[in-house]
Amino acid sequence: AQSVTQPDIHITVSEGASLELRCNYSYGATPYLFWYVQSPGQGLQLLLKYFSGDTLVQGIKGFEAEFKRSQSSFNLRKPSVHWSDAAEYFCAVGVIAGYSTLTFGKGTMLLVSP
Amino acid sequence: ETGVTQTPRHLVMGMTNKKSLKCEQHLGHNAMYWYKQSAKKPLELMFVYNFKEQTENNSVPSRFSPECPNSSHLFLHLHTLQPEDSALYLCASSQDNNYGYTFGSGTRLTVV
Repeated sequence: AQSVTQPDIHITVSEGASLELRCNYSYGATPYLFWYVQSPGQGLQLLLKYFSGDTLVQGIKGFEAEFKRSQSSFNLRKPSVHWSDAAEYFCAVGVIAGYSTLTFGKGTMLLVSP
Repeated sequence: ETGVTQTPRHLVMGMTNKKSLKCEQHLGHNAMYWYKQSAKKPLELMFVYNFKEQTENNSVPSRFSPECPNSSHLFLHLHTLQPEDSALYLCASSQDNNYGYTFGSGTRLTVV
């Protein structure tokens, strides 16, 4: 069965500093990988996704993620964090089973300090 | 507006009540999902409907009963819930060749 590990429950970053959120997955085939963001009291918004091709994926709000097959990782990065980026971030792996289902990690809460 | 609308946004119900959560999408997607989000736990997939047919039920207790009358609407009927069922219930939709979900804002359910 597929699984997703986000090893950091909380991360605090100073505004303007760079950010990297870690995600490792376990899946027997080529994965479809996603990052979502959730603001308090809201649903999840898709930041970016990887299906195939270029392993560096650009997303919305200045985020990018890099797929590294050898490390089973799909880390999310942003060069300069803004206070509005404070939210919870979820990594997910897609499973092809006739329909799409996503398995999510537990999430990483990003706190941005002034 | 995300394209997936969930009502109500907040719901408080007693353990003997019967209530329903509603989800509506007008994105032309062919699959709809119910997820449960509890504190400190990963999102739990509850039900999947693909072309109005229920294709997955992840061992969800029978006090949760889904209904998908058409490809745009999804309901979650609730009865005799327990306090541990208090959570954020998220609806999502997708188109199979996309594999990404569009989520609603969720219904915050509190069982008292």
